[in-house]
Amino acid sequence: GQNIDQPTEMTATEGAIVQINCTYQTSGFNGLFWYQQHAGEAPTFLSYNVLDGLEEKGRFSSFLSRSKGYSYLLLKELQMKDSASYLCAALDSNYQLIWGAGTKLIIKP
Amino acid sequence: GAVVSQHPSRVICKSGTSVKIECRSLDFQATTMFWYRQFPKQSLMLMATSNEGSKATYEQGVEKDKFLINHASLTLSTLTVTSAHPEDSSFYICSAPDPLTGGDYYEQFFGPGTRLTVL
Repeated sequence: GQNIDQPTEMTATEGAIVQINCTYQTSGFNGLFWYQQHAGEAPTFLSYNVLDGLEEKGRFSSFLSRSKGYSYLLLKELQMKDSASYLCAALDSNYQLIWGAGTKLIIKP
Repeated sequence: GAVVSQHPSRVICKSGTSVKIECRSLDFQATTMFWYRQFPKQSLMLMATSNEGSKATYEQGVEKDKFLINHASLTLSTLTVTSAHPEDSSFYICSAPDPLTGGDYYEQFFGPGTRLTVL
C-alpha cells in the first residue's frame, strides 16, 4: 500500500533550526511536496523535489533521497509565525498526491 | 501565484439539508479540480477529481450520490453535500493545478477551505 510517515508533533525555539522528516512508500514516484498549513486555513506550497539533493529557498530547504524514500524540510531562523502544521505529500505514478498526516510544529520564545 | 477561491468559508446547517460549496479559479482555467476533506488533526483526504465537461471521478468509499460534483465551466466546480448529517461536519478544501507553472509538475493551488458544521 501507499504510505507517508512524518512525526505528529515537534517543538523548537525561536531563532533555532528544525528538521522535519518524512518517509514515503508509493506506487511509482513523481516528486515530493511540502506544504505549510496554519490552523483553520488551507495548505500553502513550500517546495517540490523530484531529484535527489537539497533545494534551498530562503529560510526553508527541502531534501530528497529517492533511494531511501526519504525527505526532510529544514527551517532556519525560526519565527513564531512558523508555528503551523507541515504536510508532506508524494506524487505517485498516476500523479495523485498521497498525503502525510502532517507535523504540528510548535515554536517557543 | 494563481488564486483559488471558495464560498462559503463557513456554513452551519441542520441535519437533512443540502449544502453547496463553490470553488473558483480566479485567474486561470482549470479543467481539473480536486475536492478534499480534512477532519481535525488529520491529513487531507482526496474525495474526488472534478473534470470540466464530464463526470467526476470519486475515490473509493466516497458516495457519489451524497457528494454531488458539477464542473460546468473552466473556472467553477461545485460540491453539494446532500442530506447532510453531523458526521459530514468537516473542513472541505478544493484545489486546482495550474499547468502554466511548475514545468514538469502541476503545482496545486488550494482554496481557503469551507468549514461545514451540521447540527
